[in-house]
Amino acid sequence: QSALTQPPSASGSPGQSVTISCTGTSSDIGAYNYVSWYQQHPGKAPKLIIYVVNRRPSGVPDRFSGSKSDNTASLTVSGLQTEDEADYYCTSFAGNNKLIFGGGTKLTVL
Amino acid sequence: EVRVVESGGGLVQPGGSLRLSCAASGFTFSSYWMNWVRQVPGQGLVWVSRIDADGNIADYADSVKGRFTVSRDNAKNTLYLQMNSLRVEETGVYYCVRVGLPYYFYYMDVWGEGTTVTVSS
Repeated sequence: QSALTQPPSASGSPGQSVTISCTGTSSDIGAYNYVSWYQQHPGKAPKLIIYVVNRRPSGVPDRFSGSKSDNTASLTVSGLQTEDEADYYCTSFAGNNKLIFGGGTKLTVL
Repeated sequence: EVRVVESGGGLVQPGGSLRLSCAASGFTFSSYWMNWVRQVPGQGLVWVSRIDADGNIADYADSVKGRFTVSRDNAKNTLYLQMNSLRVEETGVYYCVRVGLPYYFYYMDVWGEGTTVTVSS
């Protein structure tokens, strides 16, 4: 099972919006609504920010939103803040009881 | 406080074995599926294994199937990962991760700080 495809980097200025894509296939993202997103700051463990495509855990700001179209999922961060600078990973259920991750996107707040 | 704490990492030679442990607290461990996820230094995350709440169903990434075994002791609130025939490329930080409910949504809502495994001669 190949990893999901994410852009290696993304950037935006404070207050702007940025969208990170996560592209899979008709066997994973396209087949299931089980996409989740994780934020990881340097030296820290990942943190869940979006699950089941577009649901936010309690405590996650509503500046973070998720969506999906066909084989591609997206994470949008609105009103960028300096603390949003981190690595972001998507993951999807891939059938056959497997989970796959994206390669990660480094978000820089300019 | 809901938390999971990994232990058991260390330096091992290629072909060697290591057993990781994960102590859970602050939640009903026996109600949750659990995962192991690996992160190679400076690289991305890789799903390694998953076990159901009762310890009866275990799934593995193709790359570790037949060499790694996940298990749990619900009486001790502890998750394990037995890793045999370790390879250099399996060096990394191993995270113990709780699967959110319901389990079939396949998301991971509680992460430990990880334990480092180094496979090197």
